[in-house]
Amino acid sequence: DAGITQSPRHKVTETGTPVTLRCHQTENHRYMYWYRQDPGHGLRLIHYSYGVKDTDKGEVSDGYSVSRSKTEDFLLTLESATSSQTSVYFCAISQAQTDRGYEQYFGPGTRLTVT
Amino acid sequence: GNSVTQMEGPVTLSEEAFLTINCTYTATGYPSLFWYVQYPGEGLQLLLKATKADDKGSNKGFEATYRKETTSFHLEKGSVQVSDSAVYFCALTGGRGSTLGRLYFGRGTQLTVWP
Repeated sequence: DAGITQSPRHKVTETGTPVTLRCHQTENHRYMYWYRQDPGHGLRLIHYSYGVKDTDKGEVSDGYSVSRSKTEDFLLTLESATSSQTSVYFCAISQAQTDRGYEQYFGPGTRLTVT
Repeated sequence: GNSVTQMEGPVTLSEEAFLTINCTYTATGYPSLFWYVQYPGEGLQLLLKATKADDKGSNKGFEATYRKETTSFHLEKGSVQVSDSAVYFCALTGGRGSTLGRLYFGRGTQLTVWP
C-alpha cells in the first residue's frame, strides 16, 4: 500500500468555522490531489499540486484553499465551512502525470460533517 | 469536454454470475482509461487500466477493453464472488484540454454479490 495518511479521519464542525484537512505521504511523489466524493457525483477534483508551492484549481474549488510547503504534506482548508461542504474528502498522489499511465494512489478519506 | 458515463446501479448478482458494468466516455485526443474499486469504508484502489485503443486491462479476474470506435471501456468478470461487493468507478485522464493529471470519474456503480 502507498504510504498516504489523512487526518482527521472524521470531523464534525459548525457552519462558519475554519477547517483544515491534512494529507501526508511517505512516497516522495510529486503530484498530489484533493477530491470530494458525494452521492451521485463520483469524485470531483478540488485542487491539485504539481510540486512544492505549485498548486492549481480543480472543478469545484470555490470555498477551498490549499497549501503545500513540503513534498510530503498537502493541506486543504475550508475558510468558513458551509453545509454544502459536508462530504468525504480523498487525497491522492502520483509519481508523474496520470495521462502517461502513472497510477493515482488514494488515501483512506476524511468524513466531514458541517452542522 | 471530458466526461464518463457509467451504468446506474445498484447491481445485485448471485455468486458465480457473470458481471458487466458499462462505461462510455467523451474525450478528444487520446485519453487513458481506468477502473477503480472502493470497498466499504476505504479509499479507491486501481483495479485495471488501458492507455491506448484496443488495449485490454486485466486484474483479479476482471477485464476491460479500450474501444475507441464505440468510446467504451466496459468492465467484465466471468464469475463474481461475495468479496467483489464494492463500488466500481470508471475514470479517464489525458483527454485534450484536461487538467494536468486529473481523473474524470463516473458516478460509480454499487455491486452486491449474494452467496
